[in-house]
Amino acid sequence: DVKVTQSSRYLVKRTGEKVFLECVQDMDHENMFWYRQDPGLGLRLIYFSYDVKMKEKGDIPEGYSVSREKKERFSLILESASTNQTSMYLCASRRGGLAEQFFGPGTRLTVL
Amino acid sequence: RKEVEQDPGPFNVPEGATVAFNCTYSNSASQSFFWYRQDCRKEPKLLMSVYSSGNEDGRFTAQLNRASQYISLLIRDSKLSDSATYLCVVGGSNDYKLSFGAGTTVTVRA
Repeated sequence: DVKVTQSSRYLVKRTGEKVFLECVQDMDHENMFWYRQDPGLGLRLIYFSYDVKMKEKGDIPEGYSVSREKKERFSLILESASTNQTSMYLCASRRGGLAEQFFGPGTRLTVL
Repeated sequence: RKEVEQDPGPFNVPEGATVAFNCTYSNSASQSFFWYRQDCRKEPKLLMSVYSSGNEDGRFTAQLNRASQYISLLIRDSKLSDSATYLCVVGGSNDYKLSFGAGTTVTVRA
């Protein structure tokens, strides 16, 4: 059974803290993604990675960075958390070509 | 113009009814098409892929119209458990990433 896991389901942080969100996939997928989802705005792509150590900005990269040191792991970093980064964060992976995408269960982050 | 556009709904239907909705996509070179289902406060999950000839999966039927660049989803004999948001998803064979619509909300009432 394919699996994408995220390190936390719920997280509460304070403004200015550095936040790490971890994602691991066991499907040997090349491509990994970080989205945020907010009511009325749908899924918005923050960053994606198509290979180890490679990263590309998505639609809303400001305030975020990512790291992909191993194929199975893709981390999202909030350098200095702000209240407008309170959101549901979803990690996903995909083999590429015409394949579908698999999502992790999400991390609901609240920044106070 | 958004890459994938959907009617947000909500579609509010009684149990047993048929409900259908479309999404349009802007990139004529798109090669892969999917419908995902997302329950409240959960992650999106693949409902079905959409093939050129159209395809069925139980009570769900998906159609692709390349000429008009739209995809449709039809749900027959709706169940309460079909209540969810349905996301239209489109990708190109050379693209790493998929484009997601904002979702169509369906509520099935008893």
